[in-house]
Amino acid sequence: NAGVTQTPKFRVLKTGQSMTLLCAQDMNHEYMYWYRQDPGMGLRLIHYSVGEGTTAKGEVPDGYNVSRLKKQNFLLGLESAAPSQTSVYFCASRPLGGSGYEQYFGPGTRLTVT
Amino acid sequence: AQSVTQLDSQVPVFEEAPVELRCNYSSSVSVYLFWYVQYPNQGLQLLLKYLSGSTLVKGINGFEAEFNKSQTSFHLRKPSVHISDTAEYFCAAISGGYQKVTFGIGTKLQVIP
Repeated sequence: NAGVTQTPKFRVLKTGQSMTLLCAQDMNHEYMYWYRQDPGMGLRLIHYSVGEGTTAKGEVPDGYNVSRLKKQNFLLGLESAAPSQTSVYFCASRPLGGSGYEQYFGPGTRLTVT
Repeated sequence: AQSVTQLDSQVPVFEEAPVELRCNYSSSVSVYLFWYVQYPNQGLQLLLKYLSGSTLVKGINGFEAEFNKSQTSFHLRKPSVHISDTAEYFCAAISGGYQKVTFGIGTKLQVIP
């Protein structure tokens, strides 16, 4: 099993450009999450999904959109990138039950917006 | 008020010395508590978790944590650290109707040779 994978690993955008980050998991997990990690601020939840076709806002959703059209994929979109969105983005997943709420993380995507 | 508080942003410690990383939680989160570790340029991975039962929880790599309800704490300890323990450690708690996890800001453990 590959676990949780993220594409791309690195990206540089110019202000105003758009992009989509892809998260894929092969563990048949129900829940999926997008976080951003910034120095001194820990991980902050952007959006999450409790199942295929459902999404919900997290702590810092502004400027981002998400979609969960397939159970194994969770896409994070930036419609018009801003320098404040320079960050490391992590995707995570977990099953509905049985693992004691443990989240499984991807390796991260480092995004720089100039 | 922050719901999961890590009191130290950085902790330097000499190799083979003991270490304690402190975490306190508030009533706004559940008492399902976790410690995750992040090695440089990697994602997070679970060290240990407390859901119920014994208040002393043992995890991977020789780490353990103690749940203290009266002090609302879940401190992480290791009796003897190794260079390879250099990483950032995050305390976390289930929140939001058990759908979400709230993370602390992280503690960077620097093991000095």
